[in-house]
Amino acid sequence: DTGVSQDPRHKITKRGQNVTFRCDPISEHNRLYWYRQTLGQGPEFLTYFQNEAQLEKSRLLSDRFSAERPKGSFSTLEIQRTEQGDSAMYLCASSLTAVKSGGYTFGSGTRLTVV
Amino acid sequence: KQEVTQIPAALSVPEGENLVLNCSFTDSAIYNLQWFRQDPGKGLTSLLLIQSSQREQTSGRLNASLDKSSGRSTLYIAASQPGDSATYLCAVINPLTGTYKYIFGTGTRLKVLA
Repeated sequence: DTGVSQDPRHKITKRGQNVTFRCDPISEHNRLYWYRQTLGQGPEFLTYFQNEAQLEKSRLLSDRFSAERPKGSFSTLEIQRTEQGDSAMYLCASSLTAVKSGGYTFGSGTRLTVV
Repeated sequence: KQEVTQIPAALSVPEGENLVLNCSFTDSAIYNLQWFRQDPGKGLTSLLLIQSSQREQTSGRLNASLDKSSGRSTLYIAASQPGDSATYLCAVINPLTGTYKYIFGTGTRLKVLA
């Protein structure tokens, strides 16, 4: 297993279009997290899954955002009707249930630019 | 509400210097603390994880300490090299929130000059 994979690495889209990102976690990790990071800021929590259950969503996750993890493996994050303010790095991380022992492992991120 | 602060925001040092990066958090009831490195335009790479019962962790030229009672952690980098240039982020988990999400600081941008 080579770690957490995110696809695509970069996405440029026109305002109003829908985009979908994919995250493949480390196979034995049952927790998966999505974060958003804007320039000069630390990552901000968006949502997390334990297996296929979405257990928490941040208020940052407006109605235009939806995340799924249908079989408890990979996850997708969809943004509908993109706005320029959605431009950011979207980061995915995974962990064991016992976060204390292993912490998070992050992917390389998806850079979204809305023009 | 847990808040994480990192000082300084930016740091520029000549190669070979030993340096200390600071991280402070407002709620001392943390589960663990993790230091990450981020290169420009890239994801986060884990450096060190300190569990709440531990005082410090070491990896190569890096040493991280944790003082829960004072709400502080420091990352010590020995004999800095130009390849250490990156943004360093600390993050804490506060289990009292009921979840295991990390709260991040805004990072320290380090530049090591050759």
